[in-house]
Amino acid sequence: GNSVTQMEGPVTLSEEAFLTINCTYTATGYPSLFWYVQYPGEGLQLLLKATKADDKGSNKGFEATYRKETTSFHLEKGSVQVSDSAVYFCALRGGGSQGNLIFGKGTKLSVKP
Amino acid sequence: DTGVSQNPRHKITKRGQNVTFRCDPISEHNRLYWYRQTLGQGPEFLTYFQNEAQLEKSRLLSDRFSAERPKGSFSTLEIQRTEQGDSAMYLCASSPEIGQATGTSGGASYNEQFFGPGTRLTVL
Repeated sequence: GNSVTQMEGPVTLSEEAFLTINCTYTATGYPSLFWYVQYPGEGLQLLLKATKADDKGSNKGFEATYRKETTSFHLEKGSVQVSDSAVYFCALRGGGSQGNLIFGKGTKLSVKP
Repeated sequence: DTGVSQNPRHKITKRGQNVTFRCDPISEHNRLYWYRQTLGQGPEFLTYFQNEAQLEKSRLLSDRFSAERPKGSFSTLEIQRTEQGDSAMYLCASSPEIGQATGTSGGASYNEQFFGPGTRLTVL
């Protein structure tokens, strides 16, 4: 079945450091891929998405490229800020009609000033 | 506020009691999803509705769980005879129907799921 594996946290970085959170997936067909973010005390928010191979999703300085050959969708940001501290979830939606998301376990990021 | 809302935000109950949660989706969204999130895990799919029809249920949804969306608007999730293992955050999300995409990328259509703040259930 479909599944998502993302690097375990927590990840602690200093402000302005480079961020990579790895995400790989297993899926049949051609899934859409997502990164969601959950800030402390808030609900899940879509951060970025990509729907086909080689697509790059980007938002708020974060980027992720849909790599079909490596079944990966790694999240990157060149310079993190304290305000980026949150839990990040990689997710996929399969090609079927139901549309439910399959999430990874989440990676907690803490950015220190 | 036009986002997804959930009530209550927190619920503490004793084992064996019944609980009911409510989700109000974004008004024009046809699809409504329920997920469960336990500590240290990502959300896990429970069930979804297309308008008032419940189209799929996960194996996680035991017979103690029931969900309804009677008029295709708000939805309720009921857990009967709660167990300590039911303690979790219950998330609701809504989206437009696939094909009524919120955006396109390279010709492919997708729909974004908008999540509510969740209901945190603690079973003592």
